[in-house]
Amino acid sequence: EPEVTQTPSHQVTQMGQEVILRCVPISNHLYFYWYRQILGQKVEFLVSFYNNEISEKSEIFDDQFSVERPDGSNFTLKIRSTKLEDSAMYFCASSAGTSGGVNSYNEQFFGPGTRLTVL
Amino acid sequence: QKEVEQNSGPLSVPEGAIASLNCTYSDRGSQSFFWYRQYSGKSPELIMFIYSNGDKEDGRFTAQLNKASQYVSLLIRDSQPSDSATYLCAALLSGSARQLTFGSGTQLTVLP
Repeated sequence: EPEVTQTPSHQVTQMGQEVILRCVPISNHLYFYWYRQILGQKVEFLVSFYNNEISEKSEIFDDQFSVERPDGSNFTLKIRSTKLEDSAMYFCASSAGTSGGVNSYNEQFFGPGTRLTVL
Repeated sequence: QKEVEQNSGPLSVPEGAIASLNCTYSDRGSQSFFWYRQYSGKSPELIMFIYSNGDKEDGRFTAQLNKASQYVSLLIRDSQPSDSATYLCAALLSGSARQLTFGSGTQLTVLP
């Protein structure tokens, strides 16, 4: 069964350093997402990406964050200058996407996550 | 602030019983709702989604949606110890095409 994959599984970095988290979405999916989950807290939406551009982003997704689809398979999240509060599990997700309409649905399938630890 | 609320539990049920998990949402315009299961230290795993009022069944799972009461539930029949996990309710809020808003989750323990 196709699945979303993410690398690395665990990333440790020093505050102020740049990190790039990588994801390979399910191959025929069109929409890609990043979510994060701080330990013990809710899963929070960061950004959605479609057709090589950001379609939605949350308040968390500030100028320190960027996303890119550098080739036909990878989807990346870059944090330019990490802060202690960026420590969290980062989940990539993808969905096939359907046509619009009030009853269109959006099954998002999550990858295993990257645990980011900022020291 | 548009919220999705869940009772954090923990909820304990004996093996073979029905587990009932509940979720309320504040955004009346929300259209689609999702239940995810999350084992400790793992990623959310989609169980099922619902967008029409009423019940939707998939194996041992039944999702129920009542838009008038802004209430979503998940029933797990014949609960197994392997169902022990945190169950996350998520909603696609009005004004958003793709952004899922999650509740804090309900921790379920199925006792052998």
